[in-house]
Amino acid sequence: DIQMTQSPSSLSASVGDRVTIVCQASQEINTCLNWYQQRPGIAPKPLIYDVFNLKTGVPSRFSGSGSGTEFILTINSLQPEDVGTYYCQQCERFPLTFGGGTRVEIK
Amino acid sequence: EAQLVESGGGLVQPGRSLRLSCVGSGFTFDDFGMHWVRQVPGKGLEWVAGIKWNSNITGYAESVKGRFTISRDNAKNSLYLQMNSLRLEDTALYYCAKLDGSGFSGYFDSWGQGALVTVSS
Repeated sequence: DIQMTQSPSSLSASVGDRVTIVCQASQEINTCLNWYQQRPGIAPKPLIYDVFNLKTGVPSRFSGSGSGTEFILTINSLQPEDVGTYYCQQCERFPLTFGGGTRVEIK
Repeated sequence: EAQLVESGGGLVQPGRSLRLSCVGSGFTFDDFGMHWVRQVPGKGLEWVAGIKWNSNITGYAESVKGRFTISRDNAKNSLYLQMNSLRLEDTALYYCAKLDGSGFSGYFDSWGQGALVTVSS
């Protein structure tokens, strides 16, 4: 199975800060890497697919980058509504696997 | 906009069975692959099972293989998860998730609100 490791597991930042979340795959996954946001008590919401493509309606302060085994989710100018847990997911091989999540809080 | 609504969750004893359903609306159901993803409260996401648009490919996580069966009825815009020989560790919120295409893998672009399954004696 492809293991997905996210870092950090949690972070606290101020409104307006730039936040970076890293997702590392245990093997090469080409561009099959997606990101989801989960606010407390709510189902996951898709953010980014295939490394860097924003789902329609997602604010442009979110961006994705990376290749091979290392991928990054960046939130430029953190907003209060961005509080929640962020998960990466690889779709290159079965079983589909998710990262352990990164909890984002406002300082 | 796609909507997914799960039902069928509940409290069940270890070793018993339960069947989850998911009804899709707002999109052409038989154009898309569908999956189940679960989440133990307070923990991360775990892929459970998936099915291609025409049901000719299905796949399961090792943890549920041989016990769970995924199926779909495109005429009813419905996805199912038959869960047999339930274990304590199957306790979780089960999400129905729609793929962004007709294939078997990819990106989950819509999620249901989840159905809670609690396995306890």
